Amino acid sequence: AQSVSQHNHHVILSEAASLELGCNYSYGGTVNLFWYVQYPGQHLQLLLKYFSGDPLVKGIKGFEAEFIKSKFSFNLRKPSVQWSDTAEYFCAFEAGRRALTFGSGTRLQVQP
Amino acid sequence: DTAVSQTPKYLVTQMGNDKSIKCEQNLGHDTMYWYKQDSKKFLKIMFSYNNKELIINETVPNRFSPKSPDKAHLNLHINSLELGDSAVYFCASSQEFGLAGGNTGELFFGEGSRLTVL
Repeated sequence: AQSVSQHNHHVILSEAASLELGCNYSYGGTVNLFWYVQYPGQHLQLLLKYFSGDPLVKGIKGFEAEFIKSKFSFNLRKPSVQWSDTAEYFCAFEAGRRALTFGSGTRLQVQP
Repeated sequence: DTAVSQTPKYLVTQMGNDKSIKCEQNLGHDTMYWYKQDSKKFLKIMFSYNNKELIINETVPNRFSPKSPDKAHLNLHINSLELGDSAVYFCASSQEFGLAGGNTGELFFGEGSRLTVL
């Protein structure tokens, strides 16, 4: 079955710390990968996506993610977090003309 | 302007009742979805409609019945509510379904409807 694992359920960082959120997917074929973010009180919105080409993709607000096919991973990174990055982050993938499969999310709390 | 709007945002009801959640999108998208977010925060696909046609129907009890009167609306009706139905239900839309049609894959979500069954 298709699935997404997000290893960190709750991450607490101080401002300016570096961030890496893990994401691994379970699927043997070609996938399209996404990170969505849900800021407090807001709806889920797209942060970045990977379809093909350069495995290092850049998204909004300084976020980037790297697709490593051999590891079935698509980790999210940001070199220096801000208090405004406090949110819930969801990794997702799409394969085989199915709807997006989401992970359980990682709650990021950035302390000023 | 809200792209994908759901009503109600909060719904508290008794077991055994029947309730509906409505969703509307003004993006001109062809495809709409219902996702259920359980207590562990997993977002699980329930249904998807493409141009009013049901294309995804995951393993969901038949107490749940989606209805799409037109491609801008996808409502979710739940009969005989049970405690386990308590969750946040998200509506979403996308330009098209799947990537073959040129869809970017991006979903646009509503703010969610929190259902609490007592």
